[in-house]
Amino acid sequence: QVQLVQSGAEVKKPGASVKVSCKASGYTFTSYGISWVRQAPGQGLEWMGWISAYNGNTNYAQKLQGRVTMTTDTSTSTAYMELRSLRSDDTAVYYCARVDPFEDWFDPWGQGTLVTVSS
Amino acid sequence: EIVLTQSPGTLSLSPGERATLSCRASQSVSSSYLAWYQQKPGQAPRLLIYGASSRATGIPDRFSGSGSGTDFTLTISRLEPEDFAVYYCQQYGSSPKVTFGPGTKVDIK
Repeated sequence: QVQLVQSGAEVKKPGASVKVSCKASGYTFTSYGISWVRQAPGQGLEWMGWISAYNGNTNYAQKLQGRVTMTTDTSTSTAYMELRSLRSDDTAVYYCARVDPFEDWFDPWGQGTLVTVSS
Repeated sequence: EIVLTQSPGTLSLSPGERATLSCRASQSVSSSYLAWYQQKPGQAPRLLIYGASSRATGIPDRFSGSGSGTDFTLTISRLEPEDFAVYYCQQYGSSPKVTFGPGTKVDIK
């Protein structure tokens, strides 16, 4: 079955960086994109950006431009999201999701990775 | 950027009742590129509806979506105990930039 499995929880200090992985299985990795979405505690969903697993093209949310980098490793069917210069308001659960190649809806989602930013 | 507004914020209903959730866009969503997701506490969101009205694989037929342009609706015909959750709409018409609504919580009355 199609599955996205994310790396484990992280605790980081303000100003540090975090890199979250998302390993895909059950489908042809390069035929779909991956989007990243985050959810602060008790809040809604915030789209962070998208990467094509086919050619590595990316598109990031404007508010994160310059702090976020999304990459893929096609040899291991894994997507990565790195966020730099962490602040306390980056504390959230980070999700990856497979993006339909024709209409861009998200299915399935990874289980989520909690990133806590605290001094 | 297309802004999505969902109403009501919270819907208190009993099992067996009908739930009607609204999602309104600040501008027309092209090609009805609107999806609905369900999220339960501690879980990732799950795709329910895409293309405004198409049910995702494995989604029971008590879930239905409708609408076009700027007004969309998710209807749950008869609430089951497992349907009490938060529901988000998402537009992907301005792909690759997508936006989500703030969510509607359906809780037990």
